[in-house]
Amino acid sequence: QSVLTQPPSISAAPGQKVTISCSGSSSNIGNNYVSWYQQFPGTAPRVLISETNKRPSGIPDRFSGSKSGTSATLGITGLQTGDEADYYCGTWDNSLSAWVFGGGTKLTVL
Amino acid sequence: QVQLVESGGGVVQPGGSLRLSCAASGFTFSNYGIHWVRQAPGKGLEWVAFIRSDGSTRYYASSVKGRFTISRDNSKNTLYLQMDSLRAEDTAVYYCARKKNSDWILSFLDYWGRGALVTVSS
Repeated sequence: QSVLTQPPSISAAPGQKVTISCSGSSSNIGNNYVSWYQQFPGTAPRVLISETNKRPSGIPDRFSGSKSGTSATLGITGLQTGDEADYYCGTWDNSLSAWVFGGGTKLTVL
Repeated sequence: QVQLVESGGGVVQPGGSLRLSCAASGFTFSNYGIHWVRQAPGKGLEWVAFIRSDGSTRYYASSVKGRFTISRDNSKNTLYLQMDSLRAEDTAVYYCARKKNSDWILSFLDYWGRGALVTVSS
């Protein structure tokens, strides 16, 4: 059972937009910035969004992040088949003194 | 360029020990905190441990506390994870990842290694 809650899977057609939610609490998302990670099968994760809504160099602007209260959202527009991957949210938890991840969301582009 | 390279993975029997290493290059290692994160086969990411840049502070997941020890040698640009009393459920790919931003409020994991596979089996 992950501290941060994500939907296990989501699917959409190429060109469409999807959002992936990440729900937490005041001890984590409510008081800290959120980052998002993309992982393709057999490879290491890479950071997609940092500090809730910043895109590292090389990440296309089709990816965006936002936060409201104790929930965060990853948005992906103009879906491409190459976006098929697992997506994880993460942040620091002040009460646990631990880094926490969501359970991950598998994105399928039909 | 920033590189993190894990080594030391392998097969170990339940109750045994193993030490992972993470060799860093391309940045000033002594300026950054580093995490260990693991991923069991077919499962999601699980944070394992963190050590501050100077080694003065360490945090552990409850699932490994008392069994795993994170350490670092800044003179060798290397991070370690000593794993004792290993269990089948510790089977996973173990990644080291650099912590970006000193303030936990803003921090994230900006560079990751490729991982080392640890299999605990008799």
